[in-house]
Amino acid sequence: EVQLLESGGGLGQPGGSLRLSCSASGLTFSSYAMTWVRQAPGKGLEWVSAVSGPGGTTYYADSVKGRFTISRDNSKNTLYLQMNSLSAEDTAVYFCALDYGVGALPYWGQGTLVTVSS
Amino acid sequence: DIQMTQSPSSLSASVGDRVTITCRASQSTSTYLNWYQQKPGKAPKLLIYATSSLQSGVPSRFSGSGSGTTFTLTISSLQPEDFATYYCQQTYDTPFTFGPGTKVDIK
Repeated sequence: EVQLLESGGGLGQPGGSLRLSCSASGLTFSSYAMTWVRQAPGKGLEWVSAVSGPGGTTYYADSVKGRFTISRDNSKNTLYLQMNSLSAEDTAVYFCALDYGVGALPYWGQGTLVTVSS
Repeated sequence: DIQMTQSPSSLSASVGDRVTITCRASQSTSTYLNWYQQKPGKAPKLLIYATSSLQSGVPSRFSGSGSGTTFTLTISSLQPEDFATYYCQQTYDTPFTFGPGTKVDIK
């Protein structure tokens, strides 16, 4: 059974940094692209970033480009999202999800809440 | 970036109703269009991928169709567990944008 478990959320300061992690099990992690999706309170889904299976190719939404960095450690079955220069607009539940190969996301974590506030 | 719109933004329906939700893209996404269902406090659930392929374990009352810029999700006979918010997502080109969602609630 595929399981994805996010961690690292919490309270971040405006202009500060947080690093999210997503631990995966039940799959050959390196075979699949992975994605971060976020959802601000009471709002819809926003695609944030994706990384290829080997980790060499990354993609970002314009809203986070230059501030967030996606990476993965396939030896640890773990996906990361380094978030810098945080602003209130980054407050959201962050989900990690597995890419089916056509961009569809059949497996999701439970989400981790990031709150940016002073 | 490809912009996605959905209509209606919300609808009220009764158990047993046939429900259709439309998703439109600002440019062609070929058939790279997926549908998700989300219930409050939960992660989204993939229903349909590549326009019309039913995800494993999803009831056959859900179906998808379309191509290019216009797509539809149809629920043939609405069940109590189907009251939720539905999102489309294009995966033709990054960023893989989502639609704004359609909330389906009980009439």
